[in-house]
This record gives sequence, structure tokens and C-alpha cells, in this order.
Amino acid sequence: AQSVTQPDIHITVSEGASLELRCNYSYGATPYLFWYVQSPGQGLQLLLKYFSGDTLVQGIKGFEAEFKRSQSSFNLRKPSVHWSDAAEYFCALSGGSYIPTFGRGTSLIVHP
Amino acid sequence: DTAVSQTPKYLVTQMGNDKSIKCEQNLGHDTMYWYKQDSKKFLKIMFSYNNKELIINETVPNRFSPKSPDKAHLNLHINSLELGDSAVYFCASSQFSGAEETQYFGPGTRLLVL
Repeated sequence: AQSVTQPDIHITVSEGASLELRCNYSYGATPYLFWYVQSPGQGLQLLLKYFSGDTLVQGIKGFEAEFKRSQSSFNLRKPSVHWSDAAEYFCALSGGSYIPTFGRGTSLIVHP
Repeated sequence: DTAVSQTPKYLVTQMGNDKSIKCEQNLGHDTMYWYKQDSKKFLKIMFSYNNKELIINETVPNRFSPKSPDKAHLNLHINSLELGDSAVYFCASSQFSGAEETQYFGPGTRLLVL
């Protein structure tokens, strides 16, 4: 069975500070991993994804994520957060069954 | 030029009613999905269609019936609505049905069952 854990329900950062959102997964092989962002009242939008190659993946809006097989993690980072980054962030995994599994989401709050 | 659109955006109805949610994508994608997002933001896949054929059918009550008249449309019909059906329903599409595919989400339909 595959699973995704986002241990932080809420994260609060000050504008301009760095950000790291945690994602751990459980899957028997190399998974396809995604980070999506959901702004209030909107659908999800892909930030970045990993399925092979370089373990450091660059995405849109200045986000990056690093795949660490030894830690079963795919943490999302941004060096300097903007107020417009306040949103819900979802980590997702897709494996051989094509059925995607989403984490519970992490709500990012940005203080001015 | 909305890529994935859903109607209606909000739906308030009484228990026991039957309702439909419509979804259309203009991306030329082959695969479409329905997701349910509950009040705790958990997002769970319900169905997926690839070129009008059902390929994913998760454990969903048979009161929920998807219909895909063509590959650009995937509608969701719900019979005998229950309080627990209250949620946000998202439609999504991807170019193909592979695990590596990016999904493009609609804005969601907020269903409230009274």
C-alpha cells in the first residue's frame, strides 16, 4: 500500500523568511512525487514533480523540492516566502496502480 | 479560457435529492478524474475515465455514478444525497492515464446537504 504523510497541519512564517514543508511517503519502489498548491476557493495547481533523474527539482513560483530515498522524503522549500504564498500545500504520490494518494495538506500562514 | 471547468460552483440541497455536477476540459486530455475533498481537506480519488472508459473506481457508494459522454466531459450524478456527501468535489484531467501525469484541477463544486 502507498501512503503520504505531511506531519505539519499548519506552518506559520514571516514574509521573507525561508520555508520548508515536510512530506514523507511509503511505497515499495521509486514513486512519482508531486507537490500541488491550493489557494482559497480554488482547485489544485502543480508546483513541481519528480519521477527520475536529478533529486533536486525546480518548480514554479520559486519552489524546489528534494527527493531523498534514504529518508523516504520529498520536502518542499522556498528561500523567501511572499504573502501570496499563503495557501494549502499537498504532497502526492503515484505508483504503478496510477491511483494517486494525497497527503492531508499543510496550511501555510504568512505574517507580514 | 478556463482549462477545467465545473458547474455548479455551489450546490445546496436537501437529503434524499438527486443532483448532478458537470465537468468539461478544453485541454484535449484523454483522462479525467473526480475527487472528493472532505472538511479536513483530505483529498481522495473517486473515479477516473480514460477516453470515456472507466479505469479507476475506488470504494464509492453506488449512489455515485460518473458518466463520460465524450473525452472532454465527465459528469457526476449523485442519487439519494446524504449528509455525509457534503464536501468539495473536484474534477481533474491529465493528458494520459500514466502515474507520472500532471493533473489539472477544476475550481471545485461545494456541495452542502441539509
